[in-house]
Amino acid sequence: DIQMTQSPSSLSASVGDRVTITCRASQSISNYLNWYQQKPGKAPKLLIYTASTLQSGVPSRFSGSGSGTDFTLTISSLQPEDFATYYCQQTYSCSFGQGTKLEIK
Amino acid sequence: EVQLVESGGGLVQPGGSLRLSCAVSGFTFSTYWMGWVRQAPGKGLEWVANIKQDGSEKYYGDSVKGRFTISRDNAKNSLYLQMNSLRAEDTAEYYCARIRQYGGSRFWAFDIWGQGTTVTVSS
Repeated sequence: DIQMTQSPSSLSASVGDRVTITCRASQSISNYLNWYQQKPGKAPKLLIYTASTLQSGVPSRFSGSGSGTDFTLTISSLQPEDFATYYCQQTYSCSFGQGTKLEIK
Repeated sequence: EVQLVESGGGLVQPGGSLRLSCAVSGFTFSTYWMGWVRQAPGKGLEWVANIKQDGSEKYYGDSVKGRFTISRDNAKNSLYLQMNSLRAEDTAEYYCARIRQYGGSRFWAFDIWGQGTTVTVSS
């Protein structure tokens, strides 16, 4: 099984900050990697697919990069609506990372 | 408007069974792979199962293999999850989701999600 490890598990930041979340796969997954955002009590929302492609309607302050085993999700300038939990997902065999909770500092 | 609406959740005793349904509208259901994802209270997301457009291919997560069965009825625009031999650790919010493919069997993502249905396994 492919394990996905996100870091950090939680993060405090302020509006306007640049934030980076990392996802590491236990083996190479090429760019079979997606990112989701989930707010409390809501279903997850697709942000980025195939590691770096922005889903339609998602603000351009979100970006993704990486290939192989190491991936990053970057939010260039945090907005109040961005405070949420973020998950990476590998689709080589399908599993999710444990999540990164982004909180307001 | 694209909609996925889950139903069928509830309280069930350990060892019992439950069948979840997901009613789909707003897109051509028969042309998409579909899947189920669950989330235990306060925990992260866990992939449960995927099914091909015509039902000919099905894939399951290790924790549910042999106990859960995914199926679909394209005439009714509905997705199902039959859950047998339920355990306390199956307690979770269950989401159905549409799978969008981007070329190649491994380039895909859950692009549309339902609001979820709650399953509680307890005596």
